[in-house]
Amino acid sequence: EPEVTQTPSHQVTQMGQEVILRCVPISNHLYFYWYRQILGQKVEFLVSFYNNEISEKSEIFDDQFSVERPDGSNFTLKIRSTKLEDSAMYFCASSRESSYNEQFFGPGTRLTVL
Amino acid sequence: GENVEQHPSTLSVQEGDSAVIKCTYSDSASNYFPWYKQELGKRPQLIIDIRSNVGEKKDQRIAVTLNKTAKHFSLHITETQPEDSAVYFCAASIYSTLTFGKGTMLLVSP
Repeated sequence: EPEVTQTPSHQVTQMGQEVILRCVPISNHLYFYWYRQILGQKVEFLVSFYNNEISEKSEIFDDQFSVERPDGSNFTLKIRSTKLEDSAMYFCASSRESSYNEQFFGPGTRLTVL
Repeated sequence: GENVEQHPSTLSVQEGDSAVIKCTYSDSASNYFPWYKQELGKRPQLIIDIRSNVGEKKDQRIAVTLNKTAKHFSLHITETQPEDSAVYFCAASIYSTLTFGKGTMLLVSP
């Protein structure tokens, strides 16, 4: 069964550094998402992406964040200047359609900002 | 924006018992309600979902009920097994964005 994959599984960075988290969505899916989960807290929506554009974004997704689909398979989340409070598990998800449709989650990237 | 409340935060049951997890949502426009199971260190995985035009859905030992008037939906697991132990998240969606509850840690003791 196809799965969403994410790399790296764990990223440690210094405050102020840029990080890029990578995701490979399921191949026939058209909608892509990033969520984050701070340790012990709920999963929070960051951004959704369709047809090479951001569809929706949350208040968390400020100017420090950006997303890109640089080729036909990868979907990336960039944090320009990391802050301590960016430490979290970041999940990528994809779905075939937008509404009423299962979102398949990747295994996550644990980001630790020191 | 949408707000989802989930209770209880932890639930301990004996194997074979039933477990019920409850969620409420705030935005009456929400129309899709999935439930995800997350085992320790693993990705969230969908276990069941329900659309707003349906009141109840069942899949073997798992069922979900939705009360649109009360803006309330629940997950029911019957005949629980130790492998059901995990964190369960409810979510509500209007278009595609999922708003999650805080999660319920279910512990099933043999």
